[in-house]
Amino acid sequence: GNSVTQMEGPVTLSEEAFLTINCTYTATGYPSLFWYVQYPGEGLQLLLKATKADDKGSNKGFEATYRKETTSFHLEKGSVQVSDSAVYFCALTLTQGGSEKLVFGKGTKLTVNP
Amino acid sequence: DGGITQSPKYLFRKEGQNVTLSCEQNLNHDAMYWYRQDPGQGLRLIYYSQIVNDFQKGDIAEGYSVSREKKESFPLTVTSAQKNPTAFYLCASSIVRGGAYEQYFGPGTRLTVT
Repeated sequence: GNSVTQMEGPVTLSEEAFLTINCTYTATGYPSLFWYVQYPGEGLQLLLKATKADDKGSNKGFEATYRKETTSFHLEKGSVQVSDSAVYFCALTLTQGGSEKLVFGKGTKLTVNP
Repeated sequence: DGGITQSPKYLFRKEGQNVTLSCEQNLNHDAMYWYRQDPGQGLRLIYYSQIVNDFQKGDIAEGYSVSREKKESFPLTVTSAQKNPTAFYLCASSIVRGGAYEQYFGPGTRLTVT
């Protein structure tokens, strides 16, 4: 089946530290890959996406590269800020028979301390 | 401003009562979704609808029901048959952009059943 595995949190960093959150996937076919972010008490916001192998998604200083050979889509940011504290979800979507569904990882909570 | 509205933000009910959660979107998206979020479990799909007057069960549909009489609206009813209804419920809609389905989420409704 289709699934997403992301590193367990929580992750605690100091401001300006380098961030990596690992994400690997299992899928039949060729999924699109996403990172969503959820701030406390809110819904999810799309952070970035990649639709094919070797694509790099980027937004707000975050980046992730679609690696088909390692079935991975790791999230990185060079210098985190306190305002990046949130829960990050890796997800994939497949279109099958005209319908599509998102499959989410369990989320990784990031706390950035000043 | 276009977006997805969920109301209310917090909802309290007694066990044995049905409760309906509202979801409205003015994004003109065809597809809409309901997810349930529990701590440490990520998001799980309850129901989804690709077009008006049509919907399909997701991974955890038991104890829930939906309707899709209008494109803008996709209410979710949590019935008394749902054994563990206390959770954070998220509604989403989707559009194809850049070759991938992007889902946009509402702010969520936190349901507490006692």
